[in-house]
Amino acid sequence: EAGVTQFPSHSVIEKGQTVTLRCDPISGHDNLYWYRRVMGKEIKFLLHFVKESKQDESGMPNNRFLAERTGGTYSTLKVQPAELEDSGVYFCASSPGLVAYFGPGTRLTVT
Amino acid sequence: AQSVTQPDIHITVSEGASLELRCNYSYGATPYLFWYVQSPGQGLQLLLKYFSGDTLVQGIKGFEAEFKRSQSSFNLRKPSVHWSDAAEYFCAVVQTGGYQKVTFGIGTKLQVIP
Repeated sequence: EAGVTQFPSHSVIEKGQTVTLRCDPISGHDNLYWYRRVMGKEIKFLLHFVKESKQDESGMPNNRFLAERTGGTYSTLKVQPAELEDSGVYFCASSPGLVAYFGPGTRLTVT
Repeated sequence: AQSVTQPDIHITVSEGASLELRCNYSYGATPYLFWYVQSPGQGLQLLLKYFSGDTLVQGIKGFEAEFKRSQSSFNLRKPSVHWSDAAEYFCAVVQTGGYQKVTFGIGTKLQVIP
């Protein structure tokens, strides 16, 4: 069974540009999460989808971040416009319940 | 607010030596407890989890962890480390009751020397 996949694996953009990250969860997992790790810090929760609905978006840093989950399948996380402090590794995870399965992450560098 | 503390940011051990990575959590009720590992270039892989029952939990790759309620700890151990265990290890908790977000510790980077 395929795991959680994320695209791209790396992205380098300039400040002010837009970037869209994609996550494909494990098939059948209703729960999808986004997390972020800024260098040297903890992995922090961003938001949680249950199917296509946002269950908890308390971790979203500001309104430059927009997450969607089309039809309860894959999810995208858009950053517009990107700022330097948005650099980090963005992890996606999916879960049928209590155990979260993580993707490899997308390393975003904003210059 | 619940928090997870991993006091050791970096640890270096010799191959074949034993390993213990420390984790303490702060939360009113015992949460669900996890250890994840991230090898270079890889995603986060679940090593083991504790929900209830036996306080000594076995995981993959020869790892085990012991839950100690009195100390609010969930330390990860391995009796003999292999070079391939070099990675970053994350202790994590999930609040009991429903589908909840994972709260991570800052991570411990393990270096294995010959």
